[in-house]
Amino acid sequence: NAGVTQTPKFQVLKTGQSMTLQCAQDMNHEYMSWYRQDPGMGLRLIHYSVGAGITDQGEVPNGYNVSRSTTEDFPLRLLSAAPSQTSVYFCASSYGRRPRGSSYEQYFGPGTRLTVT
Amino acid sequence: AQTVTQSQPEMSVQEAETVTLSCTYDTSESDYYLFWYKQPPSRQMILVIRQEAYKQQNATENRFSVNFQKAAKSFSLKISDSQLGDAAMYFCAYRSFTGSRLTFGEGTQLTVNP
Repeated sequence: NAGVTQTPKFQVLKTGQSMTLQCAQDMNHEYMSWYRQDPGMGLRLIHYSVGAGITDQGEVPNGYNVSRSTTEDFPLRLLSAAPSQTSVYFCASSYGRRPRGSSYEQYFGPGTRLTVT
Repeated sequence: AQTVTQSQPEMSVQEAETVTLSCTYDTSESDYYLFWYKQPPSRQMILVIRQEAYKQQNATENRFSVNFQKAAKSFSLKISDSQLGDAAMYFCAYRSFTGSRLTFGEGTQLTVNP
């Protein structure tokens, strides 16, 4: 059981380049999310998904795209990187609505540090 | 929309002493979950403790306990017998009972002095 995995761990991009951050989970979780972490701002939600084929925007979705074709995978795409997207990115997953007392916390991947020059 | 506020950007404590980290939140919902996550220098997000709003009893996990005041919308974390390994960034987070989104506070950087 690997939990939530993210690749790559580090990435440097030039302005205007595109890339995809990969995220996978093997816990059969319905919910998956992407957050970005910036100093003094905590973690902010970019996009999330409540199941395969369903995605929605979070607080800071501009400049990012997502898709969810399988339960396991939830990639985050940067179409044209900008310096403002320099950040640490976390993927997280959890079960959906559960009976009281069940496990409902979010499990986080190890994060990706992205620098855009 | 829910908001979470951590008013202490930095805190420090002597090893073996007790420290309390503050968190307040704003919501119109009556049923929700609250969490404290720890982020050490490794960057990994580690769940420390969780509280279900419908439970009046404060959650406890070994040296970590919370003071949950639902009416005041306050959720503080108490760390007893602080250890060097407790040094980390601590985040308070809110989750609606019916949703999956986590709303985070700004974080509190805890330093433990030997």
